[in-house]
Order: sequence, then C-alpha cells, then structure tokens
Amino acid sequence: NAGVTQTPKFRILKIGQSMTLQCTQDMNHNYMYWYRQDPGMGLKLIYYSVGAGITDKGEVPNGYNVSRSTTEDFPLRLELAAPSQTSVYFCASSHRDPTDTQYFGPGTRLTVL
Amino acid sequence: AQSVTQPDIHITVSEGASLELRCNYSYGATPYLFWYVQSPGQGLQLLLKYFSGDTLVQGIKGFEAEFKRSQSSFNLRKPSVHWSDAAEYFCAGTTRGGSQGNLIFGKGTKLSVKP
Repeated sequence: NAGVTQTPKFRILKIGQSMTLQCTQDMNHNYMYWYRQDPGMGLKLIYYSVGAGITDKGEVPNGYNVSRSTTEDFPLRLELAAPSQTSVYFCASSHRDPTDTQYFGPGTRLTVL
Repeated sequence: AQSVTQPDIHITVSEGASLELRCNYSYGATPYLFWYVQSPGQGLQLLLKYFSGDTLVQGIKGFEAEFKRSQSSFNLRKPSVHWSDAAEYFCAGTTRGGSQGNLIFGKGTKLSVKP
C-alpha cells in the first residue's frame, strides 16, 4: 500500500514551458487535493476533486488545470509556467470530505526560471 | 471569515522540556481541527484531530491537544520533547457543510530542539 505518490520529486522549468505533475493514490479515496506550499505561508488549496469526473477550484487556481478521469489519478497541469509558480506542490487524498483525515504525498519541488 | 492562526513562527526548546504550540481559530460553527507535522523534505502527517466529544485529544508520538471553545484555541502539547520532534507543525480547520475543499491551514510553526 504505497498511499499517495507524486512524480517528479524535483523539476526546473523555464518561463513559458508547460508540465504535468502526477499524483496517484491506492487507497480508493474519493477526495483528492492539490496544494502549494510557499515559505512562511502554510498550504494553499489549488484544486480539489470529490470523485472521478468532478473537479473544482480552490483558493489559488489561476495558472493551473486538473482532470480526474479515474479514482486513482489526479494530475495537475501548469500551462505557461511563471516564476510565481515556484513552490512545493503537495497532492493529498481523503476517503470523505475535508473533515476526514487527509493523506499527503511527498511533494514536488518546482522552480521556474 | 474562517481562519486558523499560529502566532509563533519558530520555537526552540531543549530536549526533554515540555512543548506547547499555539493555534487559534475563527469559525462560526464548531470546527473540525487538525494538527499535522511535516519533517524536512517530507509530506504532512496527521498527529491528531478533534471534532466533538472529549476536548482533550490524544495523538501519535505522545502529542495531545486541547480544544478550548472559550479561547478559540486548539493548542498542541507534549510533556517531553525528543530531538526527532524537530519539524514544522501545522494547525488546520474546516467545518462540515462548508466549501467541500476548504481545509484551512495555519502558516506553521517550526520547532527546533536543542540537545
């Protein structure tokens, strides 16, 4: 039981490039989340999903897109990367809504130069 | 507006000393409250959570937290800190029936442990 896995662990992008951050969970959780963590700012919710085919915006969605075609996978797409997207990105999942425990992946450290 | 505040950015304690990390919340209804720990270079791990019942909650690794409605607080405590407790600690909250994705995190408290 791997829990929540994320790839890649590290990535450097040039301004204007695009990439997809991968997230997979093997706990059959309905809810999945993407957060970004900036120093001294805690975690901010980017997007979340309540089940396959259903996604919604969080607090800071601009510049990102998501899809949820299966229960297991919740990729985060960055289009036209900007320096402001330099951050650590965490994927998480929970069985029920956010009142339930969230399980986090190890994170992806992204630098945009 | 709903919010979670951690007043202390960085705390240093000696190994073996007691620890208290502060968390204050602002919610209209009784919130669901969580403490997560993040070791360097790792994801977050749940220490404990509160949603009803006994206001003193026991968690993993010897941590406990007390919900105090009158003070809008949910402080994390440990009687004797170990060097391995050095990490960043996040308080978080949400309410049932609110925005489905809306777990709000505090900005975190970094704990350093002196030998």
